[in-house]
Amino acid sequence: QKEVEQNSGPLSVPEGAIASLNCTYSDRGSQSFFWYRQYSGKSPELIMFIYSNGDKEDGRFTAQLNKASQYVSLLIRDSQPSDSATYLCALDTGRRALTFGSGTRLQVQP
Amino acid sequence: SQTIHQWPATLVQPVGSPLSLECTVEGTSNPNLYWYRQAAGRGLQLLFYSVGIGQISSEVPQNLSASRPQDRQFILSSKKLLLSDSGFYLCAWGSGGAEETQYFGPGTRLLVL
Repeated sequence: QKEVEQNSGPLSVPEGAIASLNCTYSDRGSQSFFWYRQYSGKSPELIMFIYSNGDKEDGRFTAQLNKASQYVSLLIRDSQPSDSATYLCALDTGRRALTFGSGTRLQVQP
Repeated sequence: SQTIHQWPATLVQPVGSPLSLECTVEGTSNPNLYWYRQAAGRGLQLLFYSVGIGQISSEVPQNLSASRPQDRQFILSSKKLLLSDSGFYLCAWGSGGAEETQYFGPGTRLLVL
């Protein structure tokens, strides 16, 4: 079992819709969770981090964490074509560096 | 504000040639520094990390090495490149602590032929 699982996609949503990206993980000791956005050919850009169970909102983005069920999700409201990218889930298991999923490719259709 | 630089941006090298990639960070002191590699269509793989000058930890045994000669400089090297070394090399910095957040540089795209 991979440490961090993401559906590779593509996840296709119409412009203005809510995009829901999910990530499950296996290490119950994970404490910190991150979402990065990566445009094709570019480096990952941090968009959200969450440490506690529940929801965290930042503009159009909401991160949701459920440690009991070992999943973390990212909701993007009012999706725009510029949101089309690969979204990487990452977590800190206490081993210093982050463990990344393979990413979910999001396509927002105009 | 903090800025992280990497160079070169792209590199095409023959098999068996040496490699040196450089990463520098501005606007922070004593950062944790990381080298990741991303193969085409895949996730990020940690290669090395450093918590201070001269302190290097390796995550994956291979023909690559890393050095940190200065507080905000991190270098990735190889004496002889393999075809399998091709990929997107990313340097990242973090401020340390229990809830560290990592920020990535622009990356170096390496093609070994």
